[in-house]
Amino acid sequence: SQQGEEDPQALSIQEGENATMNCSYKTSINNLQWYRQNSGRGLVHLILIRSNEREKHSGRLRVTLDTSKKSSSLLITASRAADTASYFCATTGSGYALNFGKGTSLLVTP
Amino acid sequence: EAGVTQFPSHSVIEKGQTVTLRCDPISGHDNLYWYRRVMGKEIKFLLHFVKESKQDESGMPNNRFLAERTGGTYSTLKVQPAELEDSGVYFCASSHYQETQYFGPGTRLLVL
Repeated sequence: SQQGEEDPQALSIQEGENATMNCSYKTSINNLQWYRQNSGRGLVHLILIRSNEREKHSGRLRVTLDTSKKSSSLLITASRAADTASYFCATTGSGYALNFGKGTSLLVTP
Repeated sequence: EAGVTQFPSHSVIEKGQTVTLRCDPISGHDNLYWYRRVMGKEIKFLLHFVKESKQDESGMPNNRFLAERTGGTYSTLKVQPAELEDSGVYFCASSHYQETQYFGPGTRLLVL
């Protein structure tokens, strides 16, 4: 299975702090994506990083990928209360199916 | 541009009944996917359509689940007969190519 595993399972920080979430997977991938899910809502795509890329930025988001360690990290800088959500990493291999982890629950308090 | 839409948003049925979920992908997206998340578990892939053809249905749990995509537009996922373990959130997603998949809000299914 290429299933992603996020770490930590839950993270609580204050507004303005940075939040870092990690994801590990088991087999070779084509790309890795991060999604956010606000409570009771759908999944929102955040960022995609391909297997030949090492780092990508999008606004306050920074994603790194280390294929030798089969791991990725998502950094959210200067967090806001609105960033409170569950964050999932998902990988694809040769096919199109996304393989999700269980997610990290982030709580940002004012 | 409208996003992926799903109907209904919630469904409560009794064991043994039939439920049909609908997904309308983003216009122009040939690829359509179904996923589900049962309580406490990861989001799991069910199947993938390319236009009206099933490209990968390796995640379908059993023959009580039937997915169709008539004309390569919207898709339906029918569960017949529903069992208690089918309860969960069913997500639909669509994509243009093999990259970013855009998800709908999900259908919350509760089987009593």
